[in-house]
Amino acid sequence: SQTIHQWPATLVQPVGSPLSLECTVEGTSNPNLYWYRQAAGRGLQLLFYSVGIGQISSEVPQNLSASRPQDRQFILSSKKLLLSDSGFYLCAWSDDFVGTSSYNEQFFGPGTRLTVL
Amino acid sequence: AQSVTQPDIHITVSEGASLELRCNYSYGATPYLFWYVQSPGQGLQLLLKYFSGDTLVQGIKGFEAEFKRSQSSFNLRKPSVHWSDAAEYFCAVVIYGGSQGNLIFGKGTKLSVKP
Repeated sequence: SQTIHQWPATLVQPVGSPLSLECTVEGTSNPNLYWYRQAAGRGLQLLFYSVGIGQISSEVPQNLSASRPQDRQFILSSKKLLLSDSGFYLCAWSDDFVGTSSYNEQFFGPGTRLTVL
Repeated sequence: AQSVTQPDIHITVSEGASLELRCNYSYGATPYLFWYVQSPGQGLQLLLKYFSGDTLVQGIKGFEAEFKRSQSSFNLRKPSVHWSDAAEYFCAVVIYGGSQGNLIFGKGTKLSVKP
């Protein structure tokens, strides 16, 4: 069966420090991978998605970047954190997307709570 | 622009009472619709989804939702709420950009359950 891991579970970082959050998926190959941010009172916002190694699409301009160095590894990074980067970061995966008339369910990881002070 | 609206930020119901959480969407084509639940500090779990066919869909944990195209709504219901249902609930719709379908979430409704 497939599983998705995120670490760390919680993180407290000072403003201006770098960030690296990791997400890995097991039990599947060539998944689509997603990073979401959940800020208080703002629901979930898609930040990045990836359909393959080295292929990253950004949904919103921001202080963050994403990379996919391996098939089942997705990393969220920042060179200098801002206060506004605080939030709950969720990684998700879905099976490889096929066509425009279908949709593959996304499965979410346990999340990382990031607090920037 | 496509959007999902959950008009109720916070709802409190008594244990054993019925529940309805509202969701309205704005999307030109036939949408794919979802309800997710998030327990405190946890990831999201899919409750149910609507792609096509019967407009009343059954999900896990005794939840159901009805798609009403005329009202652009996909409300979540449960006939009798349990204390363990206390959580945050998110409605979502898939939109397509190019060949990729991505989820657009509402802002969520937090459910509290009174004993």
